[in-house]
Amino acid sequence: DTGVSQDPRHKITKRGQNVTFRCDPISEHNRLYWYRQTLGQGPEFLTYFQNEAQLEKSRLLSDRFSAERPKGSFSTLEIQRTEQGDSAMYLCASRAGTGNTEAFFGQGTRLTVV
Amino acid sequence: AQSVTQLDSQVPVFEEAPVELRCNYSSSVSVYLFWYVQYPNQGLQLLLKYLSGSTLVKGINGFEAEFNKSQTSFHLRKPSVHISDTAEYFCAVILSFSGGYNKLIFGAGTRLAVHP
Repeated sequence: DTGVSQDPRHKITKRGQNVTFRCDPISEHNRLYWYRQTLGQGPEFLTYFQNEAQLEKSRLLSDRFSAERPKGSFSTLEIQRTEQGDSAMYLCASRAGTGNTEAFFGQGTRLTVV
Repeated sequence: AQSVTQLDSQVPVFEEAPVELRCNYSSSVSVYLFWYVQYPNQGLQLLLKYLSGSTLVKGINGFEAEFNKSQTSFHLRKPSVHISDTAEYFCAVILSFSGGYNKLIFGAGTRLAVHP
């Protein structure tokens, strides 16, 4: 399967714990996005990477959130000291670097903070 | 500010009836427009896209959309819907800035409910 993959698919954690999600984009895609989606809402932009450079980080992201893409391939999203309000679906998408192509999405990681 | 507005949060329709899901955007930079569909507990799947050229674009599953620059709209249509079209539909834009920086933003979504 050469699509975007996210791991884990589901994560249940206790409030105050740290969690880390991984995204493996399509191999030749240099653009990678993270989104957060809550029930009944559209995906909200969190952050964007072009290769290994994080070019934008949404104001939605508090200091508890951090994302990396160390080698310009896979990316991780970490949430520290989770809160119940962090419960959501976290989506990763990748796009090719040439042309204005569509984004391909992973299946998402559903986070539940209890 | 750049934004995408989907005017209807829910659209109920009977099977085999036509449907239109509305999308308006506001932007002062170059835009490229997309419609995505999301079935329950799944990721987003591309329905169609407008990058340039003909303003009427055709996508998968019999959907089409028309780009109207003067009205800044990109409404999605299907002449005859099926039960299996029941899903959440998202309009999205890629805002293209100088230097190759692209930002992809989404509308809030429209839930299409097809009834027998």
